[in-house]
Formats: sequence, structure tokens, C-alpha cells
Amino acid sequence: AQSVTQPDIHITVSEGASLELRCNYSYGATPYLFWYVQSPGQGLQLLLKYFSGDTLVQGIKGFEAEFKRSQSSFNLRKPSVHWSDAAEYFCAVTGTASKLTFGTGTRLQVTL
Amino acid sequence: NAGVMQNPRHLVRRRGQEARLRCSPMKGHSHVYWYRQLPEEGLKFMVYLQKENIIDESGMPKERFSAEFPKEGPSILRIQQVVRGDSAAYFCASSPNQDRIAGELFFGEGSRLTVL
Repeated sequence: AQSVTQPDIHITVSEGASLELRCNYSYGATPYLFWYVQSPGQGLQLLLKYFSGDTLVQGIKGFEAEFKRSQSSFNLRKPSVHWSDAAEYFCAVTGTASKLTFGTGTRLQVTL
Repeated sequence: NAGVMQNPRHLVRRRGQEARLRCSPMKGHSHVYWYRQLPEEGLKFMVYLQKENIIDESGMPKERFSAEFPKEGPSILRIQQVVRGDSAAYFCASSPNQDRIAGELFFGEGSRLTVL
């Protein structure tokens, strides 16, 4: 069975600081990996996705993520965080027709 | 370019009542997915539908829950005889009609059900 672990429930960073959100997955074959962001009271917006090819993928809003098969990880990074990035971030994995398995999320707080 | 539309955004029901949540997918999308988000948890897959067909309902509770996506009109998630444990945010997502796997999902803003 596939699963996703996001070990950090809550992270606080200062505006302008760098950010890394961790994601580890378990999946028996080649995974398809996603990062979504959810603002309070809103739906989920796709930040980026990895299907194949280059293991460093670029997304919207200046985010990037690196797929490391040897570590079963797909960590999300941003070099300089903005106050508007405060939200909840979800990592997800799938191998089939869009039936995603989500992690429990990491809530990001940004201090000014 | 309307996105995925869900209504109602907020719904309050008393125990034993029925809840009906509606989802209109993005224009041109014929695949609909329902996910449930319990407080402080991630989203859990419930059901995947195409027009007039349930493709995968492996995440649906065996009792009281049903879903449909008729030929005309929105997809509906129906919860009969609601209990307090049904209180959650229910998200609908849609994707284009495509054969390749792992297409991008477009999510609605969710329907938040509160059971008193």
C-alpha cells in the first residue's frame, strides 16, 4: 500500500528565510509525486508534480522539489519565503489514475 | 474559466439527517473525485466517478454514503443518517478526460459539514 509521511506538523520561518518541507513516500513502483498548498478555508492548489525525467522540478510561486529515489523523498524547497506563503502544504503520491494518497500536511507560519 | 464548483460551502445537520453535497467539475472534465479531510488530517480518497459510472469506491464507507455523477448535472455525495464523526471538509476534484494515468487534479474549495 502506498503512503506518505510528512514528519513536520508545523514549521515557522522568518520572511526572507529559506524553506524546506520534508516528504517521504512508500510506493512499490515508480511514483508520481505532487505538492499541493491549501490556504485557510480554501481548496488545494497544485504547486508542482514529478512524473519522470529531471529529478529537480520547478513549480509555481518559486517553489521547487527534488525527487530522491534512494531516500524515497520528495522535499519541497523555496529559497526565500514570503508572508503570503503561510498555508498548509500537502505531499501526495499516486501510481494509478489520479487516486492520490496524501500526507497529513505541514502547516507553515511566516513571521515578519 | 470557472473552476470546480462545490455547494454548499458550509452545511450544518443534526444527527440522523441527510447531507447532500454537490460538485460541478471544470468545463470539459468528465472525471470527478471526492476526498474527505478530517480535522488535523490529510485528505483521504473516497470515490472516483465518470459520467454515470462509479469507477473506484474503495474509500467510501460501506454504509450511509453514496455518490453519483449523472449524465446531466453535478456529482452528488450523499450521506444518510449523519453522525458526529461525519463532520469534515469534503473536497471534490476533477480531471480532463484522458487515458494516461496520474493526471492533475483540480480541486474545489470544499464543503464543510458540521453535525450537531
